[in-house]
Amino acid sequence: DIQMTQSPSSLSASVGDRVIITCRASQVIRNDLGWYQQRPGKAPRRLIHTASTLQDGVPSRFSGSGSGTEFTLTINSLQPDDFATYYCLQYNSYPLTFGGGTKVEVK
Amino acid sequence: EVELVESGGGLVQPGESLRLSCAVSGFHFGSFWMTWVRQAPGKGLEWVANIKQDGGQTYYVDSVKGRFTISRDNANNLLYLQMHSLRVEDTAIYYCARQTTVTLWGQGTLVTVSS
Repeated sequence: DIQMTQSPSSLSASVGDRVIITCRASQVIRNDLGWYQQRPGKAPRRLIHTASTLQDGVPSRFSGSGSGTEFTLTINSLQPDDFATYYCLQYNSYPLTFGGGTKVEVK
Repeated sequence: EVELVESGGGLVQPGESLRLSCAVSGFHFGSFWMTWVRQAPGKGLEWVANIKQDGGQTYYVDSVKGRFTISRDNANNLLYLQMHSLRVEDTAIYYCARQTTVTLWGQGTLVTVSS
């Protein structure tokens, strides 16, 4: 199974900050990775697919990069709506696996 | 409008069975792989199962193999998850989602397994 190691598990930030979240895959997954945002009490929503393609309707302050085993989600100029938990998901091979999540909290 | 609506969750005892449903609207259901993902209370996301457009291929996480069955009714735009021999550790919100790449999610249905 492919393990997805996500870091940090939590971080504190302020509105306007740049936030970077990382996912490392235990083996090469090409760019078969998505990023998801989950607000408290809500279903997740996809932000990015194929590692760097922004989902329609997602603000451009979100961006993704990486390929192979190292991936990053960057949030430029953090907004109040962005305080949430973020997950990566590899869909290169079964079983599909999520990272452990990163909770972005208010500093 | 695209919508995925799960139902069928509830409180059951260990060893019992439950069938979850997901009613889909707003897109051509039969053209997409479909997925179940779950989230235990206060925990992260876990992929559970996938099913191909025609139901001819299915995949499961090891922890549910032999106990859960994913199926679909393309004529009625319905996705199912039949769960047998439920365990306390199956307690979670169960989400249905579109595609293997999990593009769209339902709002989830809570399954609680407790004696």
